Amino acid sequence: KNQVEQSPQSLIILEGKNCTLQCNYTVSPFSNLRWYKQDTGRGPVSLTIMTFSENTKSNGRYTATLDADTKQSSLHITASQLSDSASYICVVSAGKADSWGKLQFGAGTQVVVTP
Amino acid sequence: NAGVTQTPKFQVLKTGQSMTLQCAQDMNHNSMYWYRQDPGMGLRLIYYSASEGTTDKGEVPNGYNVSRLNKREFSLRLESAAPSQTSVYFCASSVGQRNEQFFGPGTRLTVL
Repeated sequence: KNQVEQSPQSLIILEGKNCTLQCNYTVSPFSNLRWYKQDTGRGPVSLTIMTFSENTKSNGRYTATLDADTKQSSLHITASQLSDSASYICVVSAGKADSWGKLQFGAGTQVVVTP
Repeated sequence: NAGVTQTPKFQVLKTGQSMTLQCAQDMNHNSMYWYRQDPGMGLRLIYYSASEGTTDKGEVPNGYNVSRLNKREFSLRLESAAPSQTSVYFCASSVGQRNEQFFGPGTRLTVL
């Protein structure tokens, strides 16, 4: 069973609207949580990285939240643009912060922004 | 500064053929990784190299070998390709305590 579950699997939103993606994890011990954006045919690109002590982090129109107690994270996209169409991947790092990472990847949420 | 580059971009093999996927990074990172990405699944680690001269198995190493040629280059070899190895392969490199990883564009491999 995957230790990082994302929902929804896919969603379609109108340009200009907001949306929120969810990530639940069971990875332990927890080091940090990342959100990546993967455009079709490209490699993932990092959006945010949050440690245990950080409960929110923004990168432009992307805002990630983390609740380490409930082991949940969300990624909020504000005022979506066509270029936001991509797969968004939640990645949880287990172990010590200075370890090589032992990253656990979610399967991703496919977002399609329509005009 | 090209980041992480991978060659080839696409490859079709017949069962039993061998090939090597190439990866290079110009960011002076110590650690490099090979992942595979299959539909409906998260990326899975095949092998990694924490530093030049060292390699270790990841989650799904069977059927693969790797070589850390120098600090810049990390290659993945399929000795006898199987249809189950049809996938998209990503190379990544990382830096810093948080192990922030930078990914290449991927190699799309089909094994017939």
